[in-house]
Amino acid sequence: GAVVSQHPSWVICKSGTSVKIECRSLDFQATTMFWYRQFPKQSLMLMATSNEGSKATYEQGVEKDKFLINHASLTLSTLTVTSAHPEDSSFYICSARYTGSGANVLTFGAGSRLTVL
Amino acid sequence: AQKITQTQPGMFVQEKEAVTLDCTYDTSDPSYGLFWYKQPSSGEMIFLIYQGSYDQQNATEGRYSLNFQKARKSANLVISASQLGDSAMYFCAMREGPERGYQKVTFGTGTKLQVIP
Repeated sequence: GAVVSQHPSWVICKSGTSVKIECRSLDFQATTMFWYRQFPKQSLMLMATSNEGSKATYEQGVEKDKFLINHASLTLSTLTVTSAHPEDSSFYICSARYTGSGANVLTFGAGSRLTVL
Repeated sequence: AQKITQTQPGMFVQEKEAVTLDCTYDTSDPSYGLFWYKQPSSGEMIFLIYQGSYDQQNATEGRYSLNFQKARKSANLVISASQLGDSAMYFCAMREGPERGYQKVTFGTGTKLQVIP
């Protein structure tokens, strides 16, 4: 089956530092990955769509320079939160489009909880 | 306008009973798909069931079935024989565009289901 690994699960950082979150598809190739942000008790908000070998497509209101997305290979996409501030604290979760099931189901990583002090 | 609407913020169900979680959607794209995901308190997103807009029959996966009413634009999730482990947040989601190349999936606000012993 499709497995997406996300690392780190938890990260605490100081304000002003940058944090990188990795999203890997372990047993399939993912040409497209999606990055979501989720505030407590709220829904998943799509931040950007990451396509391998090309620039990410960001949703309206998401700062491209703040949330850098790189999809350098068919199995890895990274999200870097640059110059993080307390308001960036959130649950970030990535997903990949898995074609093996025939239905192109979105398979999710376990998420990364970011706390900025 | 909301693409995905889940009108039930919270639901209670007695163990072993069936429960229906509501989901309505809005799209003008003839090709779309509807997903249901379960999110326990741990945060991971667990895929439950999928229904494509061109599928003739309602999707079923074990105790989960999707009541797809295309004309009414609804895709309700039915969980039969509820178990205590079913207590979680449930999200309805929709992808628009071709099944093999969709670029966006949007989520509803979720329904918190609590199963009572």
